[in-house]
Amino acid sequence: NAGVTQTPKFRVLKTGQSMTLLCAQDMNHEYMYWYRQDPGMGLRLIHYSVGEGTTAKGEVPDGYNVSRLKKQNFLLGLESAAPSQTSVYFCASSLGLAGWASDTQYFGPGTRLTVL
Amino acid sequence: DAKTTQPPSMDCAEGRAANLPCNHSTISGNEYVYWYRQIHSQGPQYIIHGLKNNETNEMASLIITEDRKSSTLILPHATLRDTAVYYCIVTWNSGAGSYQLTFGKGTKLSVIP
Repeated sequence: NAGVTQTPKFRVLKTGQSMTLLCAQDMNHEYMYWYRQDPGMGLRLIHYSVGEGTTAKGEVPDGYNVSRLKKQNFLLGLESAAPSQTSVYFCASSLGLAGWASDTQYFGPGTRLTVL
Repeated sequence: DAKTTQPPSMDCAEGRAANLPCNHSTISGNEYVYWYRQIHSQGPQYIIHGLKNNETNEMASLIITEDRKSSTLILPHATLRDTAVYYCIVTWNSGAGSYQLTFGKGTKLSVIP
């Protein structure tokens, strides 16, 4: 099992450009998450999905869109990148039994994005 | 949602036990305590979690006080590879059928040779 993988590992964008980050998991997990981590800070939840075809907003959703067309993939889009979106982006997945508080999240290696 | 308080940094001698404290005084009855760690810019790694009882696995032990207002993560024999930021997290119900994790700044553990 590869676990959770993220593509690309690094990216540099100019202000106003768009891009899509791809997260893939091979553990048949229902729930998937996108976080961002700024220097010296903890992770903040951007969006999450509780199943194929469903998404929901997290703590910091503005400027991002997501899609979950297939169970194993969760895409994070930036339509018009801004310097404030320079960050490290982590994807995670969990088994996700509804209402189950004891649900471990497994993280990918991260994507380092710089917006100039 | 419950919040946690951790010391910003700690040192531990290699081979000794590392005891990392966490306060979560507003935790409610159905919320779990989770510990993750992040080794130098890698993705966070799950360590252990618990509800009421003490827990142990191959990585660590988790001691939760009887009133559940605080907990301690114990790494029994710290090695240099345990140098990382350790996050104590309390899950909270987002109201959409999902329990979320909220990461604070964690404790930077430095294992000293």
